[in-house]
Amino acid sequence: DTGVSQDPRHKITKRGQNVTFRCDPISEHNRLYWYRQTLGQGPEFLTYFQNEAQLEKSRLLSDRFSAERPKGSFSTLEIQRTEQGDSAMYLCASSLPAGNTGELFFGEGSRLTVL
Amino acid sequence: AQSVTQLDSHVSVSEGTPVLLRCNYSSSYSPSLFWYVQHPNKGLQLLLKYTSAATLVKGINGFEAEFKKSETSFHLTKPSAHMSDAAEYFCVVINQGAQKLVFGQGTRLTINP
Repeated sequence: DTGVSQDPRHKITKRGQNVTFRCDPISEHNRLYWYRQTLGQGPEFLTYFQNEAQLEKSRLLSDRFSAERPKGSFSTLEIQRTEQGDSAMYLCASSLPAGNTGELFFGEGSRLTVL
Repeated sequence: AQSVTQLDSHVSVSEGTPVLLRCNYSSSYSPSLFWYVQHPNKGLQLLLKYTSAATLVKGINGFEAEFKKSETSFHLTKPSAHMSDAAEYFCVVINQGAQKLVFGQGTRLTINP
């Protein structure tokens, strides 16, 4: 399978713990995006990378959230000191450069439950 | 800022009947608009996109959408629903400056046998 893969698919944690999600994009895609989707809502933009550079972060991305893409390939999203409000599906997507604007390829998501 | 509003949170139709999912947009300039579909336990998938070429856009699986500037609408239609069309559908506008997608709240499509 050569699509976007995310790991883990499900994570249950206790409030105050740290969690990390990994995303492996389609290999030739240099753009990588993180979105968050809560129940009954559309995905909300968190951040995106072009190669290893993080070009934009949403105000939703508080200081407890950090995303990296150190070598311009896979990316990690870490949430420190989790809160119950962090419970959501975290979606990763990748795309080719701007010539294909709007066509993002999404992974199946990582579902986080904070108890 | 660009935004989209999906007018129905849930649409239910019988198999073989037409589908209409409604979306209005708000944009200060000519927008790029999309419809994405999300099947249970599957990643979001692009159905179709409008980028200021033809106003009637054809997508995958028999879906199409018409861009109407006078009505600021971009409704999704399909002549005959199939059971496999049951999913969540999102109308999306792109923020040109940041190349990020802005999603509507979604419309859940249910197909009755």
